[in-house]
Amino acid sequence: AQKITQTQPGMFVQEKEAVTLDCTYDTSDPSYGLFWYKQPSSGEMIFLIYQGSYDQQNATEGRYSLNFQKARKSANLVISASQLGDSAMYFCAMREITGNQFYFGTGTSLTVIP
Amino acid sequence: DSGVTQTPKHLITATGQRVTLRCSPRSGDLSVYWYQQSLDQGLQFLIQYYNGEERAKGNILERFSAQQFPDLHSELNLSSLELGDSALYFCASTEGLSTYNEQFFGPGTRLTVL
Repeated sequence: AQKITQTQPGMFVQEKEAVTLDCTYDTSDPSYGLFWYKQPSSGEMIFLIYQGSYDQQNATEGRYSLNFQKARKSANLVISASQLGDSAMYFCAMREITGNQFYFGTGTSLTVIP
Repeated sequence: DSGVTQTPKHLITATGQRVTLRCSPRSGDLSVYWYQQSLDQGLQFLIQYYNGEERAKGNILERFSAQQFPDLHSELNLSSLELGDSALYFCASTEGLSTYNEQFFGPGTRLTVL
């Protein structure tokens, strides 16, 4: 089974609107971390936000927030007030306590429409 | 700027050749990860080192090898190159092995095999 699943290959959002990018994960570890990364067309990978499995509150970083639903094993990224510069690929990732590697999803391409 | 450096930024070579990609992690980071990202593909985990020792291995071909040196920089060696090895190769570093240690990515090396 896939460790990280991103079911939306492409998303469009109007500028200034909010958008949710979906991510589900699969693990039996009690402790894990969930991460979101942004990859603009220039290619670099930019860390956005982190959520720990034991965190009681959803993580927020500026316009980014993570809608963490542990029972459903989902960690959706919410971008509020979308900007043209948000157009990029977004990757969800997980790290388990029992392993060393990060598992990445296949990514969601977000396009912000003016 | 993530603090992770990769050289060279671009590399063009011919099939059958051998190349070496270099990565310097962020100051204080002990762990280095290598990824391959082919066109329109997600990130494929190759290998991870922690403080000089190999800790995890992913989909790394036998033609590829890596090492982490005492000064913590890492090199990825790609030999007998094939057209399909053309990709963006990322190095990423983390401070430790905890689930909350986020990865910081270098700018990548774009390899083109002709």
